[in-house]
Amino acid sequence: ETGVTQTPRHLVMGMTNKKSLKCEQHLGHNAMYWYKQSAKKPLELMFVYNFKEQTENNSVPSRFSPECPNSSHLFLHLHTLQPEDSALYLCASRSGYSPLHFGNGTRLTVT
Amino acid sequence: DQQVKQNSPSLSVQEGRISILNCDYTNSMFDYFLWYKKYPAEGPTFLISISSIKDKNEDGRFTVFLNKSAKHLSLHIVPSQPGDSAVYFCAARVNDYKLSFGAGTTVTVRA
Repeated sequence: ETGVTQTPRHLVMGMTNKKSLKCEQHLGHNAMYWYKQSAKKPLELMFVYNFKEQTENNSVPSRFSPECPNSSHLFLHLHTLQPEDSALYLCASRSGYSPLHFGNGTRLTVT
Repeated sequence: DQQVKQNSPSLSVQEGRISILNCDYTNSMFDYFLWYKKYPAEGPTFLISISSIKDKNEDGRFTVFLNKSAKHLSLHIVPSQPGDSAVYFCAARVNDYKLSFGAGTTVTVRA
């Protein structure tokens, strides 16, 4: 149990599909993050939410749409994705100056 | 613009020997550095960190060294154990702002 739970663990979707990734943290943290990890590349920050407010959008294409209904839940809505969007999507949370606490990720494949 | 670089994508070391992982950075404003460890099918987990006011931090078998003049960070694992086989990410930040990650080094500890 990592304290940060991501579902689904694996997702295969076509380019015309709409799907959502879910993240839930049980650590009482007030900030939540979406990262993208492509093979052999650094983790790329996508979005940051502090106390449910989006504080960072790292030039992410609009086909990725985040939602943070409360401090414990974070979603990433996906639509009309491209094959190059296939990657591991990681959710993380933290409070204050603590290190990021990551979930196990969703392995996304776009066909 | 990749500000944190891990130039060795992989490292193989014999059990019981020392593993040395290297990380170089370009942003002289970075004031905090972290190492994360990632097993397959799991998210990264925090391993050890160091503030820019220090040049060494030790935690059990893990020691991080910081050379600010060279903009170089290293992680030493001694003795290396089979359970240390994983991908190790170096990360850095400025004033608690977003983390910049390296691409990772895959460590394989041979029995």
